[in-house]
Amino acid sequence: GESVGLHLPTLSVQEGDNSIINCAYSNSASDYFIWYKQESGKGPQFIIDIRSNMDKRQGQRVTVLLNKTVKHLSLQIAATQPGDSAVYFCADRDRHPHAGGTSYGKLTFGQGTILTVHP
Amino acid sequence: NAGVTQTPKFRVLKTGQSMTLLCAQDMNHEYMYWYRQDPGMGLRLIHYSVGEGTTAKGEVPDGYNVSRLKKQNFLLGLESAAPSQTSVYFCASSYARFSYEQYFGPGTRLTVT
Repeated sequence: GESVGLHLPTLSVQEGDNSIINCAYSNSASDYFIWYKQESGKGPQFIIDIRSNMDKRQGQRVTVLLNKTVKHLSLQIAATQPGDSAVYFCADRDRHPHAGGTSYGKLTFGQGTILTVHP
Repeated sequence: NAGVTQTPKFRVLKTGQSMTLLCAQDMNHEYMYWYRQDPGMGLRLIHYSVGEGTTAKGEVPDGYNVSRLKKQNFLLGLESAAPSQTSVYFCASSYARFSYEQYFGPGTRLTVT
């Protein structure tokens, strides 16, 4: 079946460095790609999304890059801080059947990457 | 606003026991979801609800039942718990059906022995 997977399960960086978290997806019928952050003991929290017809989207200290040719998604965090330590999930949403989707609206989550920021 | 709350936070059950997990949201969201989170498998949708009185099956519904008698509450029931249901359960809500911006509760860690 379709799946969203992550290349690396863990990532350790020094405070102040930039972090890049990668994600591979397989569903060509996804209309949105989303990143969630999950801090220890808490539920996932929406960070940022990117529509499938875009290549790049920037937020506050975060940038999402989408490469549809190789079905790859990345989350870049600038000047990583200890508070960024968490598990990061990518997810994709299946598009409407009229647009080629098979499970309209369904979110498929990746397995997660653990980001650890060392002071 | 409390957002999405879940009770209980932790629970240990013996095989065959039953229990109900309660989810409540104060954001007036129409749509609510129950997910389970297992190591290395991400979040998987169990059941969801598009409004008061309506529920539907998600990706992994077997062994679970749900009810949405009030708009703000979404209950997840396990009639006869099995060790395979050991997991962390998350409730979420959103303005729109399968909105990619979902608001999650803090989770319930369930262990079935």
